[in-house]
Amino acid sequence: QSVLTQPPSVSAAPGQKVTISCSGSSSNIGNTYVSWYLQIPGTAPKLLIYDNNKRPSGIPDRFSGSKSGTSATLGITGLQTGDEADYYCGTWDSSLSAYVFGTGTKVTVL
Amino acid sequence: QVQLVESGGGVVQPGRSLRLSCVASGFIFRTYGMHWVRQAPGKGLEWVALIWFDGNSEYYSDSVKGRFAISRDNSKNTVSLQMNSLRAEDTAVYFCARGHRAAAGIVFDSWGQGTLVTVSS
Repeated sequence: QSVLTQPPSVSAAPGQKVTISCSGSSSNIGNTYVSWYLQIPGTAPKLLIYDNNKRPSGIPDRFSGSKSGTSATLGITGLQTGDEADYYCGTWDSSLSAYVFGTGTKVTVL
Repeated sequence: QVQLVESGGGVVQPGRSLRLSCVASGFIFRTYGMHWVRQAPGKGLEWVALIWFDGNSEYYSDSVKGRFAISRDNSKNTVSLQMNSLRAEDTAVYFCARGHRAAAGIVFDSWGQGTLVTVSS
């Protein structure tokens, strides 16, 4: 079982905003940087956000990330049908000396 | 452009071994840390192993420690995963991923398409 907890699913209408939470502890999120990945089922994951709030080139500014204490949040504004996917947070856990992913959140555009 | 191509997956009996390979192109391979990440059918992502750019350090998840070994050949732009004593719960798609060199944290900035490993008798 993952040490990072995400809601199983979130949904909203096109054009609306969704936020996805990622809850951890002082040995992981509270201690280092968080990344976010998008995965369309059957394909490889894709980097969305790294170092808490940085976007790789090519990722639109509709996607944003933040971190506070032992939790992180991914925000998606102007929701589009193409945003329907599974989203994962991830970070290094210093107690485990291992990388940990969140449980994953399915985003549905209504 | 960055390309990571995995190979070596297949069907294997419990207790047997399998070796996965990932050939990289489009970047200076010897300067990047490399990872293996897996995903069991219908499940989430699970990190498996990391090897530093120079091969001098390795890290493993508890679920594979002592059974799997990550290695790299910088002369062949290849990272490998030797999987021994395979179990049914090792059944997954295995992704090769590149570590982000400029990030402050551990980040996977490029991924291969994955190779399926099925452990079954």
